[in-house]
Amino acid sequence: EDKVVQSPLSLVVHEGDTVTLNCSYEVTNFRSLLWYKQEKKAPTFLFMLTSSGIEKKSGRLSSILDKKELFSILNITATQTGDSAIYLCAVDSGNTPLVFGKGTRLSVIA
Amino acid sequence: GAVVSQHPSWVICKSGTSVKIECRSLDFQATTMFWYRQFPKQSLMLMATSNEGSKATYEQGVEKDKFLINHASLTLSTLTVTSAHPEDSSFYICSARTDGNQPQHFGDGTRLSIL
Repeated sequence: EDKVVQSPLSLVVHEGDTVTLNCSYEVTNFRSLLWYKQEKKAPTFLFMLTSSGIEKKSGRLSSILDKKELFSILNITATQTGDSAIYLCAVDSGNTPLVFGKGTRLSVIA
Repeated sequence: GAVVSQHPSWVICKSGTSVKIECRSLDFQATTMFWYRQFPKQSLMLMATSNEGSKATYEQGVEKDKFLINHASLTLSTLTVTSAHPEDSSFYICSARTDGNQPQHFGDGTRLSIL
C-alpha cells in the first residue's frame, strides 16, 4: 500500500527560526512529490518535485527531493507568524489518486 | 496563474436539501478535476475524479447517487450533494489540473453545514 509519512506532526517555533519539515514515501510508481500549505481554507500549491537533488526555491521556502532515499524536505528560513499552517506532502503516482501525508502543523509565535 | 475558484464558500441548509457546489478553473483548461472531503484535523479524502466529458470515477465507499458530479466543460465541474443530511456536513474541496505532469491546484473549499 502506498504511503506518505510526514514528520514532525506538529512544531512550535519562534519568529526568525529556521524549520525543516520531512516527508518520506513508499509508493509503487512515482511521478512527482508535491508540497502544499493549508491555512484555514484549502491547500495552496508550493512545490512540485520530480528530480533528485534539484532544489526548488520560492522566497524563504525551499525544497529538495531524494529519490534514492525516498524522502523530501521543506525548509523555511526566517519564519514569520504568517507561515503558521499545516504543510502537506503528497505523492503523485500517475493514474492513482494523490497520496497525502497527515501533514505537519507549524505554529510560529512572535 | 493556475487559479481555481470554488463557489459557494459556505452553505447552511436544512436536512433533505440538495446542494450544488461549483468548481471553475479560471486561467487554464482542466482536463481532470478532483473532489475531496476533509473532516476537522484530518487530511484530505478523495471522493471522486472526473475527466471532462466522462463519467466520474468514485472512490470506494463514496455513493455516486448521493454525490453527483458533472464535468461538462474544461473549466467547470459541479458536485451536487443530494438530499443532504447532517452527517454530510464537512469541508468539500475541489482541485484541477491540466494534465498528469502538472500539479493539482485547489479551490478555496466549501464549508457545508446541514441542520
